[in-house]
Amino acid sequence: GAVVSQHPSRVICKSGTSVKIECRSLDFQATTMFWYRQFPKQSLMLMATSNEGSKATYEQGVEKDKFLINHASLTLSTLTVTSAHPEDSSFYICSAVTAPLYEQYFGPGTRLTVT
Amino acid sequence: AQKVTQAQTEISVVEKEDVTLDCVYETRDTTYYLFWYKQPPSGELVFLIRRNSFDEQNEISGRYSWNFQKSTSSFNFTITASQVVDSAVYFCALSEAGNAGNMLTFGGGTRLMVKP
Repeated sequence: GAVVSQHPSRVICKSGTSVKIECRSLDFQATTMFWYRQFPKQSLMLMATSNEGSKATYEQGVEKDKFLINHASLTLSTLTVTSAHPEDSSFYICSAVTAPLYEQYFGPGTRLTVT
Repeated sequence: AQKVTQAQTEISVVEKEDVTLDCVYETRDTTYYLFWYKQPPSGELVFLIRRNSFDEQNEISGRYSWNFQKSTSSFNFTITASQVVDSAVYFCALSEAGNAGNMLTFGGGTRLMVKP
């Protein structure tokens, strides 16, 4: 199957700093990528839908100015957590959708810890 | 709005027992997709199965089997002769709007612990 990578896999940052997470589709082009967040012992919740060349669509309750999403190419979407706080500590997972089969593949996730 | 419910938050079994993980969904769409994923402690989601709403045939893959019943909006997952390596969190998920590449709505997950 198709491969989606995320970088970094694990990051620790200090409160108030920003951190960027990359999501790449390695062997296919993805016009759509999704960003999910998973708090400890909870389910995955959709944060935003990222479409190549256009602004991301955020789910209710997700601050677009705090979670900046850039989908600059058909193989890369980035999520930047700005001015991170301890409550942003979570597992962030992206997925990428192939065209034209519309199959969705998940990245391995990025564990963010804000101290 | 779509919703997926996994009523069992945690199940504990002894190795070689059979175990069924329940999944009930709600959707207004007539065309949709249902999924099961396994999430081991590493966190990476492992795809197990995808079914579309027009295919109600049960499926068996090795020790895994799935029972899809539209009449009860359920998509249950059974592991036969469970093994310690099956210990993980299992998520049922739903994708609406007629294609599997749409956003997924996940159930709350069921943590399965298989003891030796």
